[in-house]
Amino acid sequence: EGQLVESGGGLVKPGGSLRLSCAASGITFSKAWMSWIRQAPGKGLEWVGRIKNKADGGTTDYAAPVKGRFSISRDDSKNTLYLEMNSLKPDDTAVYYCTTLWGTGTTFLYWGQGALVTVAP
Amino acid sequence: QSALTQPASVSGSPGQSITISCTGTNSDVGLYNFVSWYQQHPGEAPKLIIYDVNKRPSGLSSRFSGSKSGNTASLTISGLQAEDEADYFCGSYSSTFTWVFGGGTKVTVL
Repeated sequence: EGQLVESGGGLVKPGGSLRLSCAASGITFSKAWMSWIRQAPGKGLEWVGRIKNKADGGTTDYAAPVKGRFSISRDDSKNTLYLEMNSLKPDDTAVYYCTTLWGTGTTFLYWGQGALVTVAP
Repeated sequence: QSALTQPASVSGSPGQSITISCTGTNSDVGLYNFVSWYQQHPGEAPKLIIYDVNKRPSGLSSRFSGSKSGNTASLTISGLQAEDEADYFCGSYSSTFTWVFGGGTKVTVL
């Protein structure tokens, strides 16, 4: 069974930057499509973005609220997924989950425990 | 405001069945059979319980079932048990290579 462990969360000022990491094990990471999903305190889930595996082009897609500010990348040699977040806003405050896409590439199967990002002065 | 609409709360007694609705649009729920449901207990990560509208991951209880009609998907929990008390989120693949989720439904076992 796949395991995902996020790290890098913390408190950052508005306009600042932060990079989250997600270490994967128990899956063939290089073949996996990966995604980031966030959950603001007491709120629902919000999809952030996705990266395909390199065999499928390694392309990325992002949700409108983060497009141009966030960037997803992967290092298959380290079985690690990254989320680079720039120009952070208070509305970006959330727990960020790393997930694997599965089946037809439309289902989020494995989830990490989440990393809390707080954007405040 | 979430893209998919779910009731804020649903409750039932042990042994009863409850149904949670998830309403989207012709661009997501109505267009694709890629609706999934996730269960989240307090302080934990979401867990996949239904995918592709009505399929269960291996090992998942058959008490959970899903369906869809038009732009509305539904999750039914039969034989309600205390451990089913949690938040439930629906999600759907959407046009333009994105995903949308509901705001979540809190299930209370009376």
